[in-house]
Amino acid sequence: GDSVTQMEGPVTLSEEAFLTINCTYTATGYPSLFWYVQYPGEGLQLLLKATKADDKGSNKGFEATYRKETTSFHLEKGSVQVSDSAVYFCALSPYGGNYKLTFGKGTLLTVNP
Amino acid sequence: DVKVTQSSRYLVKRTGEKVFLECVQDMDHENMFWYRQDPGLGLRLIYFSYDVKMKEKGDIPEGYSVSREKKERFSLILESASTNQTSMYLCASSPGTSGKLEYFGPGTRLTVL
Repeated sequence: GDSVTQMEGPVTLSEEAFLTINCTYTATGYPSLFWYVQYPGEGLQLLLKATKADDKGSNKGFEATYRKETTSFHLEKGSVQVSDSAVYFCALSPYGGNYKLTFGKGTLLTVNP
Repeated sequence: DVKVTQSSRYLVKRTGEKVFLECVQDMDHENMFWYRQDPGLGLRLIYFSYDVKMKEKGDIPEGYSVSREKKERFSLILESASTNQTSMYLCASSPGTSGKLEYFGPGTRLTVL
């Protein structure tokens, strides 16, 4: 079945550091890929998405590129801020069929001033 | 803005009680979902519904049931709550045909004593 594997946290960075959170997936066909963010005490928010190979999703300075050859969708940001501290989830939705998402286990990011 | 609301942010129940978690969305979405979120396990799908009175089991339906009598409301029912159902419960909704996005509510943190 479909699965998502993301790097285990927690990840602790200093403000303005470069961020990478790795995500790889297993799925048949061409799934859509997503990154969600969960700030403390809140529900999940969609951060960015990509629906086909080589698409780049971007939002709030975060980027991720859909790499079918490596089945990856790594999240990057060039300069993190304290306000980026949150849990980040990688997810996929299968091509066609139903609309449910399969999530990774989440990566806690803490950014220190 | 899409709004998904959940009836309670925090709930404390006793073992054996019948528990109802309510979710309402105001965007006329066809699909609604219930997940539970646990540390180290990420989000796991309990049940989802793609239409009124329709439901499908997710990955961990045991011990839960759902009800969708109206399009905007999706209820999760714990027939006889147990301590291992202590968790964060997240409701989500998405449009039926325009993509596979999901919009999340703020979550209900349920504690079963």
